[in-house]
Amino acid sequence: GQQLNQSPQSMFIQEGEDVSMNCTSSSIFNTWLWYKQDPGEGPVLLIALYKAGELTSNGRLTAQFGITRKDSFLNISASTPSDVGIYFCAGRETSGSRLTFGEGTQLTVNP
Amino acid sequence: DSGVTQTPKHLITATGQRVTLRCSPRSGDLSVYWYQQSLDQGLQFLIQYYNGEERAKGNILERFSAQQFPDLHSELNLSSLELGDSALYFCASTTGTGDEKLFFGSGTQLSVL
Repeated sequence: GQQLNQSPQSMFIQEGEDVSMNCTSSSIFNTWLWYKQDPGEGPVLLIALYKAGELTSNGRLTAQFGITRKDSFLNISASTPSDVGIYFCAGRETSGSRLTFGEGTQLTVNP
Repeated sequence: DSGVTQTPKHLITATGQRVTLRCSPRSGDLSVYWYQQSLDQGLQFLIQYYNGEERAKGNILERFSAQQFPDLHSELNLSSLELGDSALYFCASTTGTGDEKLFFGSGTQLSVL
């Protein structure tokens, strides 16, 4: 079945640093989504991407739909302790097909 | 607040027991999805319902079952519980049949002792 490789698995950074994480798929996707999960809560949608090369921002977060359509990137600028959580990528091959989730990136921000 | 409501928030039970988890989707959403998240694991898709009918099945055990009622709320039934069933169970909803953008509830933390 479809596989998503999300990396890194975890990150420990200092407040103020920028963060980058990415997902790669074994096949072409037409949709990429990025979610954040706070401890004890459900994932919350951060950014949705629908076109190859698309670059979308949400505050300090920026995500890109890779031009190969097999990858996506999430960047967080000037991190704060509120950014702590697990970030999941999710992708879909075609309209109506199953969303596949990455394994998540656990982000820790030290004040 | 995603608009998806899950109850209960926490559930503690013993092996061999049966429990029911409940989910109310966002107003207007017809699709309900159930996911399982074990400790340090990603989100495993269990099952999807659309407007009362089963739409897709994922890695759902035979001991588990679900249904979606006419008012669109959904229940996930877990029976003959085992220690390994301890996990966070999430419900998510979306408007159509495809999971374009899933909106998740806060989850039910199930602990099987």
